[in-house]
Amino acid sequence: DGGITQSPKYLFRKEGQNVTLSCEQNLNHDAMYWYRQDPGQGLRLIYYSQIVNDFQKGDIAEGYSVSREKKESFPLTVTSAQKNPTAFYLCASSILAAEGEKLFFGSGTQLSVL
Amino acid sequence: GQNIDQPTEMTATEGAIVQINCTYQTSGFNGLFWYQQHAGEAPTFLSYNVLDGLEEKGRFSSFLSRSKGYSYLLLKELQMKDSASYLCAVRRDYKLSFGAGTTVTVRA
Repeated sequence: DGGITQSPKYLFRKEGQNVTLSCEQNLNHDAMYWYRQDPGQGLRLIYYSQIVNDFQKGDIAEGYSVSREKKESFPLTVTSAQKNPTAFYLCASSILAAEGEKLFFGSGTQLSVL
Repeated sequence: GQNIDQPTEMTATEGAIVQINCTYQTSGFNGLFWYQQHAGEAPTFLSYNVLDGLEEKGRFSSFLSRSKGYSYLLLKELQMKDSASYLCAVRRDYKLSFGAGTTVTVRA
């Protein structure tokens, strides 16, 4: 079955540590996105990529980094510079970053600080 | 922020109708989406509006007025499984911005 796979489901970060969240899709979608969700707030866009080897900052990119070396993969690194990393992280993809294309979401990664 | 406003919570009875309103800034508008999200799960697509009017899909309908920067999601014949958060999202350029979501609780 086609879909988006995020791993791990739960992740714990220690002080000063970088952690990487995995996102893989086999939908042959061009565009991929990372969102952060905090309780009582909407999803906020961290980074997005419309094509391999290219990505753009979203609204809250500080303290995060991404890469898009393959069409299928869009990993997100939460760096030690992100001082409040505890949140639910959602990866999404779409056929192309055009106006009518809906996003398909992965099942999310809950990141917590130890 | 993106100024996408929707009520925080709504409660309704099984079998009833609930309307969730969403208002947004109209500049750069390229379409409006509604998603459903159960706690701890991924959002799932419900509807998309880019032109004014009503789109109906079974028990769910979505309405858009671009000039007013207004949309609503109508849920009919409510079922217990409809208890979830409903997210309004507006596309501008290549980015989709989300409201904080409306938590709907369906009671027997």
